[in-house]
Amino acid sequence: EVQLLESGGDLVQPGGSLRLSCAASGFTFSDYAMSWVRQAPGKGLEWVSGITDSASTTYYADSVKGRFSISRDNSKNTLYLQMNSLRAEDAAVYYCAKDHDAYVFGGWFDSWGQGTLVTVSS
Amino acid sequence: DIQMTQSPSTLSASVGDRVTITCRASQSISSWLAWYQQKPGKAPKLLIYKASSLESGVPSRFGGTGSGTEFTLTISSLQPDDFATYYCQQYSDYSPAFGPGTKVDI
Repeated sequence: EVQLLESGGDLVQPGGSLRLSCAASGFTFSDYAMSWVRQAPGKGLEWVSGITDSASTTYYADSVKGRFSISRDNSKNTLYLQMNSLRAEDAAVYYCAKDHDAYVFGGWFDSWGQGTLVTVSS
Repeated sequence: DIQMTQSPSTLSASVGDRVTITCRASQSISSWLAWYQQKPGKAPKLLIYKASSLESGVPSRFGGTGSGTEFTLTISSLQPDDFATYYCQQYSDYSPAFGPGTKVDI
């Protein structure tokens, strides 16, 4: 069974930094692209960032480009999101999500974690 | 960037009803469209991919059609477990985008 467990969400001041983690199990992590998707309270889903299986290529939404950095450690089956220069509008539940097909960045997701809450407030 | 819209934003229905949700893309995305169901406090669940392929384990009352810029999700006979918010998502480029969602309530 695929399991994705996010952690690292917290209350942070505007301008601050935070690193989210997503521990994966139940599948061959190194075969799949992964993404982060967020959802502000009461709002819809927003794709944030994605990374290929080998970590050779990363992708970002315009709203976070230059501030967020996605990475992965395939030896630890873990996905990361480094978030810098946080703004109020970054406050959301952040989900990690697994691509449906192996070996390609498809950008559609068959497994999701339970989410971790990031609050940005002074 | 490709923009996604959905209609209606809210849909009131009863158990047993046939329900249709429409999703439109701002430019052609071929069949690179997925549908997700989300219940309050839970992660989204994949229902449909490649516009019309049913994800494993999803009941056959869910169906997807369309290509290019216009797509539909149909629930043939609404069940109590289907009251939720539904999102379409395009993945034709390296900037996946979700629609704003359609809430299906009683």
